[in-house]
Amino acid sequence: DAGITQSPRHKVTETGTPVTLRCHQTENHRYMYWYRQDPGHGLRLIHYSYGVKDTDKGEVSDGYSVSRSKTEDFLLTLESATSSQTSVYFCAIRDVQGRNTEAFFGQGTRLTVV
Amino acid sequence: GNSVTQMEGPVTLSEEAFLTINCTYTATGYPSLFWYVQYPGEGLQLLLKATKADDKGSNKGFEATYRKETTSFHLEKGSVQVSDSAVYFCALSRAGGGADGLTFGKGTHLIIQP
Repeated sequence: DAGITQSPRHKVTETGTPVTLRCHQTENHRYMYWYRQDPGHGLRLIHYSYGVKDTDKGEVSDGYSVSRSKTEDFLLTLESATSSQTSVYFCAIRDVQGRNTEAFFGQGTRLTVV
Repeated sequence: GNSVTQMEGPVTLSEEAFLTINCTYTATGYPSLFWYVQYPGEGLQLLLKATKADDKGSNKGFEATYRKETTSFHLEKGSVQVSDSAVYFCALSRAGGGADGLTFGKGTHLIIQP
């Protein structure tokens, strides 16, 4: 299994509070991603990173920010959590070389905003 | 933009039945194609992949063939087991690689009854 650790695995928070989710990898892969998974929507990309301090928005980035200060860590922050951000969040990593374009996923963080 | 369409299910089969889960895609050029599997409470695991037209990916008795002419990558298994019950995601990464992640279908929930 790819070395990807997400923390926390479960979190309940109140509307309006800030929340930070962490993704840590030990594979030294260049690209890192945050997805959210919701019933009926599959996985949707929130933000991604293509290097230290290099990030870009995905299709559902509103209300989220990210930071990557080290190759191994990619943080997802909800500045002011809303109930619509209740979801399961997955971190993924890729190291695109030749035909190796697959992504590897963490175990997920279940976030509930009440 | 890129998109992936797959049957959402749930798909319910009896043990030892033949399985087909359809997946079609829209993309320019020759993307790489993937099937991922998600067991309850877990992250996504790569099941198989194909990186060029007419390639067949296979793993654990599952197979899928990259059909450029029909833009399809249908997942098949000759004899399913109860342990195959999971959610299956078809995905693509755009031709030429790139940092902007994989595009996923909405997932197909497969239920195998003994």
